[in-house]
Amino acid sequence: EAGVAQSPRYKIIEKRQSVAFWCNPISGHATLYWYQQILGQGPKLLIQFQNNGVVDDSQLPKDRFSAERLKGVDSTLKIQPAKLEDSAVYLCASSDSSYGTQYFGPGTRLLVL
Amino acid sequence: EDQVTQSPEALRLQEGESSSLNCSYTVSGLRGLFWYRQDPGKGPEFLFTLYSAGEEKEKERLKATLTKKESFLHITAPKPEDSATYLCAVQGGAGNTGKLIFGQGTTLQVKP
Repeated sequence: EAGVAQSPRYKIIEKRQSVAFWCNPISGHATLYWYQQILGQGPKLLIQFQNNGVVDDSQLPKDRFSAERLKGVDSTLKIQPAKLEDSAVYLCASSDSSYGTQYFGPGTRLLVL
Repeated sequence: EDQVTQSPEALRLQEGESSSLNCSYTVSGLRGLFWYRQDPGKGPEFLFTLYSAGEEKEKERLKATLTKKESFLHITAPKPEDSATYLCAVQGGAGNTGKLIFGQGTTLQVKP
């Protein structure tokens, strides 16, 4: 069974630029999560989708971050404009239900200069 | 507020030297406690889920246990390939949508 796919794997941008990350969850998984992992810390939830609806975006900095999940499958996370403190690993995870085991992708490593 | 604290932050062991990692938590109605392994440059890899106090699960050299306030990950006779960061996370019940609250992790290094 194919795992969670993410792209790109690495991205370097200047502050104030925009960037987008893509995630393809495990086939059939209805729930999709985006986490932010800052170096030396555990992952922190940014947004959770159930099919193509948002369930929890309470910790998403909505002035600069946006996310969508069209057709309940793939998802895109965007940052516009980026700040230095956005340098982190962005992890996508999926599960077959809201309380099921979450399986993570390899992450996108973002460096903002 | 749900919270997870892991200790120690870093642990160095000799190959074959058994030890335990600690995960202390506070949560409103625990639905599940999860252990993940994370290798450098990779995403977290699922290891175990524990649901109630007294539960234990094993996988190769790893054994996870759960009490009402803590979970332990016991590593028996570790090998260098067990070197990784181990993450603990809780999933709360009341009002929780399924998100995981993670600790900061314990970085384990096993020397041959």
